[in-house]
Amino acid sequence: GAGVSQSPSNKVTEKGKDVELRCDPISGHTALYWYRQSLGQGLEFLIYFQGNSAPDKSGLPSDRFSAERTGGSVSTLTIQRTQQEDSAVYLCASSTSTLAGADNEQFFGPGTRLTVL
Amino acid sequence: GENVEQHPSTLSVQEGDSAVIKCTYSDSASNYFPWYKQELGKGPQLIIDIRSNVGEKKDQRIAVTLNKTAKHFSLHITETQPEDSAVYFCAAPNRPGGYQKVTFGTGTKLQVIP
Repeated sequence: GAGVSQSPSNKVTEKGKDVELRCDPISGHTALYWYRQSLGQGLEFLIYFQGNSAPDKSGLPSDRFSAERTGGSVSTLTIQRTQQEDSAVYLCASSTSTLAGADNEQFFGPGTRLTVL
Repeated sequence: GENVEQHPSTLSVQEGDSAVIKCTYSDSASNYFPWYKQELGKGPQLIIDIRSNVGEKKDQRIAVTLNKTAKHFSLHITETQPEDSAVYFCAAPNRPGGYQKVTFGTGTKLQVIP
């Protein structure tokens, strides 16, 4: 079946511009995550959506970053007034149940490579 | 929250040799430990995971061991092949129970030399 998709695959923007990154999770997955991966670095947690619960925004680095998830499916990560240090690969992942003992595998999309000039 | 440390950051092995990557975690209540493989230009993909009720799990050439007393777990790849070259991440949940938010290690870049 279809996996997690992200668009665009690459985005080049000028410093100060706003950008929107899109994530289409696997159908039926209730949990959705955004991560940032700088060149050669690990996965930095940004935000987590679970069903209709309030999102966990504890990883967002500044108020320039925001995300929403409409209808429990598609999610958009928005970065306002982009800075050069925002350049990274932004990864989205989705997952199923939160029940203890359930399969907690996260399925990742291919990422969006953002370059801020 | 959970703190995960991963070593080494880079690892080069000859084809056919074994590779071992180690991670430590801080939350003694953590009960789920996945390993992800990230190939160049792709998102990470789960390759194996272990829950705290077992000490070892194998899947063909890969295995994971868990020592809850010492709070560390390791990935073992035997008979390495060039296609094993990738970045590997360990992870541990931020909270106990079924929560899915995890903290990832900093990654190990494995190079298998033909």
